[in-house]
Amino acid sequence: EVQLLESGGALVQPGGSLRLSCAASGLTFSSYAMNWVRQAPGKGLEWVSGISGSGGKTYYADAVKGRFTISRDNSKNTLYLQMNSLRAEDTAVYYCAKEVATVTTGEFDYWGQGTLVTVSS
Amino acid sequence: DIQMTQSPSSLSASVGDRVTITCRASQSISIYLNWYQQKPGKAPKLLIYAASNLQTGVPSRFSGSGSGTDFTLTISSLQPEDFATYYCQQSYTSPFTFGPGTKVHVK
Repeated sequence: EVQLLESGGALVQPGGSLRLSCAASGLTFSSYAMNWVRQAPGKGLEWVSGISGSGGKTYYADAVKGRFTISRDNSKNTLYLQMNSLRAEDTAVYYCAKEVATVTTGEFDYWGQGTLVTVSS
Repeated sequence: DIQMTQSPSSLSASVGDRVTITCRASQSISIYLNWYQQKPGKAPKLLIYAASNLQTGVPSRFSGSGSGTDFTLTISSLQPEDFATYYCQQSYTSPFTFGPGTKVHVK
């Protein structure tokens, strides 16, 4: 059974940094692209970033480009999101989501339970 | 970026009702349209991919149709566990934008 477990969410001040992790099990991790999707409190879903199975290709939403970096360690079955220069509008639950293929297709068939990031002074 | 809209934003329904939710893309996305269900405090769940394909394990009362810019999600006979928020999402091109959601609640 595929399981995705996010961690690293916390309360951080504006301008601060945070690194989220997503530990995957029950799958051949390197065979699938992975993504981060966020949801602000009481709001809808927003795709944040994606990475191919090899890690060679990455994609970002304009709202986070230049501030966030997605990466993966296939030897540890773990996905990361390094978030810098955090803003109040980055406050959200962050989900990691597995793609259906090695390349980024935008179809997310498994999701983690989410980790809450709160940006506030 | 491709903008996604959904209608209605919310609807009230009873168990056994047929429910239809509409999703529209700001440009043609062929059949690259997915539907997700989300319950409060839970992660989204993939229901339909590529406009009309039922994800493994999803009950057959759920169906999807459409292509180009206009899509629909239909629940043929609403069950108690179907009260939730439904999101459409385009997977035609990055950024993979979601619709604003349709909340299905008890009448």
